[in-house]
Amino acid sequence: KAGVTQTPRYLIKTRGQQVTLSCSPISGHRSVSWYQQTPGQGLQFLFEYFSETQRNKGNFPGRFSGRQFSNSRSEMNVSTLELGDSALYLCASSSSSGGAHEQYFGPGTRLTVT
Amino acid sequence: SQQGEEDPQALSIQEGENATMNCSYKTSINNLQWYRQNSGRGLVHLILIRSNEREKHSGRLRVTLDTSKKSSSLLITASRAADTASYFCALSYNTDKLIFGTGTRLQVFP
Repeated sequence: KAGVTQTPRYLIKTRGQQVTLSCSPISGHRSVSWYQQTPGQGLQFLFEYFSETQRNKGNFPGRFSGRQFSNSRSEMNVSTLELGDSALYLCASSSSSGGAHEQYFGPGTRLTVT
Repeated sequence: SQQGEEDPQALSIQEGENATMNCSYKTSINNLQWYRQNSGRGLVHLILIRSNEREKHSGRLRVTLDTSKKSSSLLITASRAADTASYFCALSYNTDKLIFGTGTRLQVFP
């Protein structure tokens, strides 16, 4: 099976712009979770989608949003970018919702906001 | 806080030695998972241990879970240079989202 893919791998944006990141889960997986990783805050949970519905949400402002399509592919959007949004954004897919089973991670999208 | 605390923050050993890292938490969990991350890349799942299990093995990896002490340990035996990575524990509460710990940076010198 192909692994989790994320596009783009690297992105440079300017403060105030918006960005959309994409994640394709492993075939058959219906759960997609997003995480933000920074040196200061570590790995933080953003949100999880399961069968096109947001099941869980972390403590992030409303500028961070996401969605999932019927083929389980997911996108996350960050509007009005701030310097502090510079991070590695990771998505992970799983066969079930939540943390009941192992998650399979993509390589991440490294976002730099200047 | 629901986040796991990992100890030590960093660990340096020689090839062939064993590496032990620990994860402590405060609230009862459903399961605990260990992941490895190589140099800012995606995470790789290592082992999942459920709250009713005490020990699991996978190759050179051994994970223990002590729910009375709310702690888990990951042992890597006969370490190799390729084991150099950051290791994270991740906690699942009531099959809800995973919450990752602070991580242990392991350096294995040839």
